[in-house]
Amino acid sequence: QQPVQSPQAVILREGEDAVINCSSSKALYSVHWYRQKHGEAPVFLMILLKGGEQKGHDKISASFNEKKQQSSLYLTASQLSYSGTYFCGTGSGGSNYKLTFGKGTLLTVNP
Amino acid sequence: EAEVAQSPRYKITEKSQAVAFWCDPISGHATLYWYRQILGQGPELLVQFQDESVVDDSQLPKDRFSAERLKGVDSTLKIQPAELGDSAMYLCASSLAGRASSDEQYFGPGTRLTVT
Repeated sequence: QQPVQSPQAVILREGEDAVINCSSSKALYSVHWYRQKHGEAPVFLMILLKGGEQKGHDKISASFNEKKQQSSLYLTASQLSYSGTYFCGTGSGGSNYKLTFGKGTLLTVNP
Repeated sequence: EAEVAQSPRYKITEKSQAVAFWCDPISGHATLYWYRQILGQGPELLVQFQDESVVDDSQLPKDRFSAERLKGVDSTLKIQPAELGDSAMYLCASSLAGRASSDEQYFGPGTRLTVT
């Protein structure tokens, strides 16, 4: 079951904040966040695991609500380099299960 | 910094022809993934290898797609015959161990396939 991301797109001015949400209808083991710039490969940002463990960038913050099967990615004081499409990937059932990615959120940061 | 290598970067082929993509994962990474990404969508897993063994190929259209990782290092994804609906970006990724849900995955630059 594909996770649902919201919003589909957001436009910011440099320095503004944004929140990107990811929700699933299935119980989650993990949530991954990736950023993809146009024509480039997705780049790893963060993993949030059931039980509270997190791995990822120091400057990126995110939350994982296991009961609600939701995750949010917080982008503060946005920079031009933050522009791109953000994907969440959800893993269910344990550490060996595959990721299912959402459709993405297009973030545009303008000067 | 180690990267996942893929070739070719772009491929244009005619319907019903065969096409092959190659991926070389980061050295030491046991797990290799092939994803398909349609424009405007997130990546969709086609096949996952743990060393040379297939762990998950449930979404691989086996009537036309095949994948192998013979020595547990590099991998080839083949489509024969190609159909118009196969036009997409084909991404290869690798991770250190076999925990798809808990390991960070490193993606290659992808192969953009256009079927005419």
